[in-house]
Amino acid sequence: GAVVSQHPSWVICKSGTSVKIECRSLDFQATTMFWYRQFPKQSLMLMATSNEGSKATYEQGVEKDKFLINHASLTLSTLTVTSAHPEDSSFYICSARGTNEKLFFGSGTQLSVL
Amino acid sequence: AQTVTQSQPEMSVQEAETVTLSCTYDTSESNYYLFWYKQPPSRQMILVIRQEAYKQQNATENRFSVNFQKAAKSFSLKISDSQLGDTAMYFCAFTQGGSEKLVFGKGTKLTVNP
Repeated sequence: GAVVSQHPSWVICKSGTSVKIECRSLDFQATTMFWYRQFPKQSLMLMATSNEGSKATYEQGVEKDKFLINHASLTLSTLTVTSAHPEDSSFYICSARGTNEKLFFGSGTQLSVL
Repeated sequence: AQTVTQSQPEMSVQEAETVTLSCTYDTSESNYYLFWYKQPPSRQMILVIRQEAYKQQNATENRFSVNFQKAAKSFSLKISDSQLGDTAMYFCAFTQGGSEKLVFGKGTKLTVNP
């Protein structure tokens, strides 16, 4: 089956630093990927839609300058949390649609900002 | 706006028994898809089952089946012969036809007891 690799699986950083999270589709091309955030014991909330070769589409309330998304190739999307603060601490998950129309998720990244 | 409601925050079942998780949704669209995702303690999102709204027949995947009541906008998940490995958070999700955005419910934490 299709595999989506997300890296790193966890990261701890100091407040004010930037963190980059990678999402790769390993055996298929994905023109569109999605980034979600999940707070403890809560559901997944869509942050943005990442489109290959064009600007990402952000959901209402998500700061595009805070959460930079780059989708430079058909197999890689990156999410950069800029100037991270403790309130940005969360579980971030990416997903991509495979050729069989099924949506595959990465394994997630736990971000902890000190 | 589409919404997905899961009214059972937590449920438990004995191993080998059957359990049903509830989900209702709200939409004015006629073309849409419904999903159940499983999120075990590893936090990897796993697709359990998918239902196309235009299909009257309820989807089944081995021990997992749904009861799709389109008029009532209800989409419950039945797990038969529950196994310890079924212990997880279960999320009901909706996507409008032609859109790739998933809207998730708040989830139901299922515990299978030995």
